[in-house]
Amino acid sequence: DAGVIQSPRHEVTEMGQEVTLRCKPISGHNSLFWYRQTMMRGLELLIYFNNNVPIDDSGMPEDRFSAKMPNASFSTLKIQPSEPRDSAVYFCASSLTAAVGLNTIYFGEGSWLTVV
Amino acid sequence: AQKVTQAQTEISVVEKEDVTLDCVYETRDTTYYLFWYKQPPSGELVFLIRRNSFDEQNEISGRYSWNFQKSTSSFNFTITASQVVDSAVYFCALSPNTGNQFYFGTGTSLTVIP
Repeated sequence: DAGVIQSPRHEVTEMGQEVTLRCKPISGHNSLFWYRQTMMRGLELLIYFNNNVPIDDSGMPEDRFSAKMPNASFSTLKIQPSEPRDSAVYFCASSLTAAVGLNTIYFGEGSWLTVV
Repeated sequence: AQKVTQAQTEISVVEKEDVTLDCVYETRDTTYYLFWYKQPPSGELVFLIRRNSFDEQNEISGRYSWNFQKSTSSFNFTITASQVVDSAVYFCALSPNTGNQFYFGTGTSLTVIP
């Protein structure tokens, strides 16, 4: 079975440009999560969706960040305009339900973003 | 408060040695779940194990074993006869019974020297 699929794997962009990260969750999973990993802050939850509906976006750093899930098999995380401090690895993850303690979160391979 | 502490930032061992990665957690929940994930140099996060708070039985999977002790709030991970392919960053995580949040430790970077 295919795991969580993210694209692009690596992106280098200039400050001020728009960045769009894409994610396809595991088929049948109802919950999708976006995490960010940096050396300073470790793994942070940015936002999660349950049945395509955003449930908690309190981790989204600021208005420059937005996420959508138009259907059960696709989600995007957009940064506009991007800044150097956004450089990080962005992970998408999915689970059967949002109650992650009852299920396991499976992560994608990550999108490595560098903003110069 | 929910918190996971991995006090060991970096560990180096010689191949075939055993190594234990420590994980101490804090939670007020009576029901919770503990996880270990592996992040190899390629960057992906690989699920290793999930354990619920009511199951204190230790688990062994090949060269991997986990020791869960509620009395000390610890969920330690031992690799027996380590191999170079075990080199990775290992994350311990805590999740309460409900809700969406995973509380990750800061990770332990393991280097196995051939």
